[in-house]
Amino acid sequence: QKEVEQDPGPLSVPEGAIVSLNCTYSNSAFQYFMWYRQYSRKGPELLMYTYSSGNKEDGRFTAQVDKSSKYISLFIRDSQPSDSATYLCAMSPSGNTPLVFGKGTRLSVIA
Amino acid sequence: GAVVSQHPSWVICKSGTSVKIECRSLDFQATTMFWYRQFPKQSLMLMATSNEGSKATYEQGVEKDKFLINHASLTLSTLTVTSAHPEDSSFYICSARIGTGRNTGELFFGEGSRLTVL
Repeated sequence: QKEVEQDPGPLSVPEGAIVSLNCTYSNSAFQYFMWYRQYSRKGPELLMYTYSSGNKEDGRFTAQVDKSSKYISLFIRDSQPSDSATYLCAMSPSGNTPLVFGKGTRLSVIA
Repeated sequence: GAVVSQHPSWVICKSGTSVKIECRSLDFQATTMFWYRQFPKQSLMLMATSNEGSKATYEQGVEKDKFLINHASLTLSTLTVTSAHPEDSSFYICSARIGTGRNTGELFFGEGSRLTVL
């Protein structure tokens, strides 16, 4: 079993839909959780950062961490065509160890 | 968010030459930087961890003599691909992590450098 599992998609949704992106992981030591958005031929852009469990909201984006289930989610409300990108989850046990990345989910929001 | 600058954004070189890529943290100090490699439609693969003032830590399977990493200051790390070959053509991305304060652990990426070796 890989440390971090993420469905690669592709995922296609109509504009305005609520998008749910998920990752599961096996290492119970993970404490830092992040979501990145990567457009083609660009470096990843940090979207959400969460330490330990709980929810975090920023505009149209909500990140959830359920450590008991080893499951994290990113929700995008009122999705826009500009949200079309690859979304990567990433996590690590501490603040100075390398992140372990999921494979990324390709999202297409159709106008 | 914090800014990480990477240069050059793309480079084409002849086989056998060396290429240097720079990674700078512009508005924070980074004692640790990470170098990743990404092939088309693949996820990020960690190559090495660059530590300011000490030797880099390489991941298994990454040749340290081929991918030279220097982290001379708290804001600059460089990756040199030595004697580049076509199979080294890839997208190289650096990242830097905020080490202190409320946002400890946040990792920011540069824009990436696309290397094409002819």
